[in-house]
Amino acid sequence: RKEVEQDPGPFNVPEGATVAFNCTYSNSASQSFFWYRQDCRKEPKLLMSVYSSGNEDGRFTAQLNRASQYISLLIRDSKLSDSATYLCAVNPVGTSYGKLTFGQGTILTVHP
Amino acid sequence: SAVISQKPSRDICQRGTSLTIQCQVDSQVTMMFWYRQQPGQSLTLIATANQGSEATYESGFVIDKFPISRPNLTFSTLTVSNMSPEDSSIYLCSVDEYSDTQYFGPGTRLTVL
Repeated sequence: RKEVEQDPGPFNVPEGATVAFNCTYSNSASQSFFWYRQDCRKEPKLLMSVYSSGNEDGRFTAQLNRASQYISLLIRDSKLSDSATYLCAVNPVGTSYGKLTFGQGTILTVHP
Repeated sequence: SAVISQKPSRDICQRGTSLTIQCQVDSQVTMMFWYRQQPGQSLTLIATANQGSEATYESGFVIDKFPISRPNLTFSTLTVSNMSPEDSSIYLCSVDEYSDTQYFGPGTRLTVL
């Protein structure tokens, strides 16, 4: 089993749709969780950190389920500009040294 | 967040040569990391660049192939040695500012012929 696995995708949704991605992790000791967005030929940009209580930033909501060892990202009212690859990242050690393991990414395409 | 720059942004190199990639941060950071992203793949951590000590390499990566320097808290280099076409990738540095949150440089796109 891979350390971090994401929904295979790709996701193709119309503008205004709600879309959700899941990401499972294998190391139960993981402490830090993140969602990154990567546009074509660009570096990953931090979208959200994922907290135990869940967090929301505008149209984006991230949740953590420790019991089932997965994190999720919900995007409401999708925009064309949301088209990108979404990467989940997990700190498998839970120390301040921040080693991240990334999932393979989920491609989202929002169409008119 | 810190502003991170990388040089070169891209390069095309011949097999058997070496390339040194520079990563510069506009503020002092404790942790710097080097990742590789092969075509169509996700990011794989190569090593953690430790200031004042040797880099810590991940499984599958060795110092002879990817020597790393970290002379101070704002700068690091990664060298890709004795390159082969399989080394064609995007190489990214990242910094860990706080709470394990990492920010990435713009990447260096390497093509080996």
